[in-house]
Amino acid sequence: DVKVTQSSRYLVKRTGEKVFLECVQDMDHENMFWYRQDPGLGLRLIYFSYDVKMKEKGDIPEGYSVSREKKERFSLILESASTNQTSMYLCASESGTANTGELFFGEGSRLTVL
Amino acid sequence: AQKVTQAQTEISVVEKEDVTLDCVYETRDTTYYLFWYKQPPSGELVFLIRRNSFDEQNEISGRYSWNFQKSTSSFNFTITASQVVDSAVYFCALQPTNDYKLSFGAGTTVTVRA
Repeated sequence: DVKVTQSSRYLVKRTGEKVFLECVQDMDHENMFWYRQDPGLGLRLIYFSYDVKMKEKGDIPEGYSVSREKKERFSLILESASTNQTSMYLCASESGTANTGELFFGEGSRLTVL
Repeated sequence: AQKVTQAQTEISVVEKEDVTLDCVYETRDTTYYLFWYKQPPSGELVFLIRRNSFDEQNEISGRYSWNFQKSTSSFNFTITASQVVDSAVYFCALQPTNDYKLSFGAGTTVTVRA
């Protein structure tokens, strides 16, 4: 069964803390994404990676960075968490060659910043 | 820029009723893909369908059907004879064919009551 696994389902952090959200996929996909989901706003793209060590900014990259050292792992980093980063974070992967357009999502990480 | 509008925030129906989810989009791209994703309570978005902008044929898959009308920029989704397991948040999305980014609508929460 193909899978995208996010390391933490729920996190509570304090303002100013550094936060790491990890995502691992087992499908050998080239493309990986980090989205943020907020009520009434749908999903918004934070960052995208199409290969190891390659990344591109999405629509809302401010306050975030990413790391992709291995093909299967894509990490989202909040250098100094703020309360407006309280949200649900969704990781997704996609085959860069299959051209089906199908994204495979993890179950999400709900982050609360106090 | 793309914009996807799902005007219905929440829909509540009784089991076996049909339910139609509206999706209206805006794009300047001449070729694009349209998607529907389902997010059950577990949180993991699941791909339902992708349609190419030049293919306006309606599609049926079991109890699900999709009506794509380019003239009105709409891609509506109907669940026939709804079941409790259909309770979820449903997202419509658009992707230009030459871009990796999906633009999601805000989502419609469907609740099917027994």
